[in-house]
Amino acid sequence: AQSVTQLGSHVSVSEGALVLLRCNYSSSVPPYLFWYVQYPNQGLQLLLKYTTGATLVKGINGFEAEFKKSETSFHLTKPSAHMSDAAEYFCAVRRSGGSYIPTFGRGTSLIVHP
Amino acid sequence: DTAVSQTPKYLVTQMGNDKSIKCEQNLGHDTMYWYKQDSKKFLKIMFSYNNKELIINETVPNRFSPKSPDKAHLNLHINSLELGDSAVYFCASSHGGRTGSTGELFFGEGSRLTVL
Repeated sequence: AQSVTQLGSHVSVSEGALVLLRCNYSSSVPPYLFWYVQYPNQGLQLLLKYTTGATLVKGINGFEAEFKKSETSFHLTKPSAHMSDAAEYFCAVRRSGGSYIPTFGRGTSLIVHP
Repeated sequence: DTAVSQTPKYLVTQMGNDKSIKCEQNLGHDTMYWYKQDSKKFLKIMFSYNNKELIINETVPNRFSPKSPDKAHLNLHINSLELGDSAVYFCASSHGGRTGSTGELFFGEGSRLTVL
């Protein structure tokens, strides 16, 4: 079985401040991990993913995430928030073998203040 | 050229009516999905089809019936609509179950259903 926990349903930052969105997962086998972003009134789009190899992965719009197996975490960061980053962010996990259906976290709403 | 397209984008209807949402993908994927997103943004998988075969059918009322005429299309028909069906319904597609596939999902823009 696999599951995802996103800590904090809302995260509020000032423009220019560090963004940190937390994701912890559980998986009985090595996972594939994803972050998706959903802008208002739009569908989800892939921000970045970890499959194998380098544990620090870079995505679009200056976001990156680090896979930490010992902590079962895949936190999303961005050094400097921009107003346009305000959106809903979803962490997802799927097994690297077997079922390819991903499990999504409940989402974190990022609010950026001017 | 939109990769995953859903129609209609908005649906407003009365309780008890029947409605359909259509989805098409031009990415060559073999797996398609329907997700329901509630007002709290929680995403719940409803159905998944792989090569036109139903592989996931979560606990969804049987008023919801998916149909996949071919790998590129997955439609959702809803009978006897209820107030609780109001939500945004997302179609998605991916390469599923193939060796080397990481299986990331590509989503449509959503269909917002409002039941009055």
